[in-house]
Amino acid sequence: SQKIEQNSEALNIQEGKTATLTCNYTNYSPAYLQWYRQDPGRGPVFLLLIRENEKEKRKERLKVTFDTTLKQSLFHITASQPADSATYLCALLRMDSNYQLIWGAGTKLIIKP
Amino acid sequence: NAGVTQTPKFQVLKTGQSMTLQCAQDMNHNSMYWYRQDPGMGLRLIYYSASEGTTDKGEVPNGYNVSRLNKREFSLRLESAAPSQTSVYFCASSALAGGYNEQFFGPGTRLTVL
Repeated sequence: SQKIEQNSEALNIQEGKTATLTCNYTNYSPAYLQWYRQDPGRGPVFLLLIRENEKEKRKERLKVTFDTTLKQSLFHITASQPADSATYLCALLRMDSNYQLIWGAGTKLIIKP
Repeated sequence: NAGVTQTPKFQVLKTGQSMTLQCAQDMNHNSMYWYRQDPGMGLRLIYYSASEGTTDKGEVPNGYNVSRLNKREFSLRLESAAPSQTSVYFCASSALAGGYNEQFFGPGTRLTVL
């Protein structure tokens, strides 16, 4: 069955440094992979979507890479700020469905001043 | 423009009670979804509605029913609540169904079943 794995341990980063989060998947080569941010007590908020034929996507301080050979996506936040502290979720399309996303459990990012 | 709204925000039920979670979106989206989120697990899809008039089961539909009342509203019903249904429930919508479309989420309903 398909699985998405994100690091369950919190990632502690010093303010100003680059934070890198990992999303690994198995048994499938998704056409699209999405990243979301979730703050405590709130619903997820969409950040970026990357297609399988795109190696990299950028939006302001955010960068996502997609390596279909390694079955991995990396999510980078450059010049990190305490306001970037949140849980980051990745999601990909189920291989047996046109509509359903499979979600990782998320990685909690803590940016220390 | 409120986006996706959900009611109630919190609910405590006793085992066997029933309730309906309400969801509405004002973005004229075609597709709507109900998820549950449990600690240490990814969001799991309960039911979805790819377009008005259609509903389909997701990954964990047992114990739930849904109604796509119109294009704006998508409700989730628990007929006989069980402690295993204690969770945070999120409603989401997207312009179209499919992995290319970003999903917009509501604030969630925190449900406890005693």
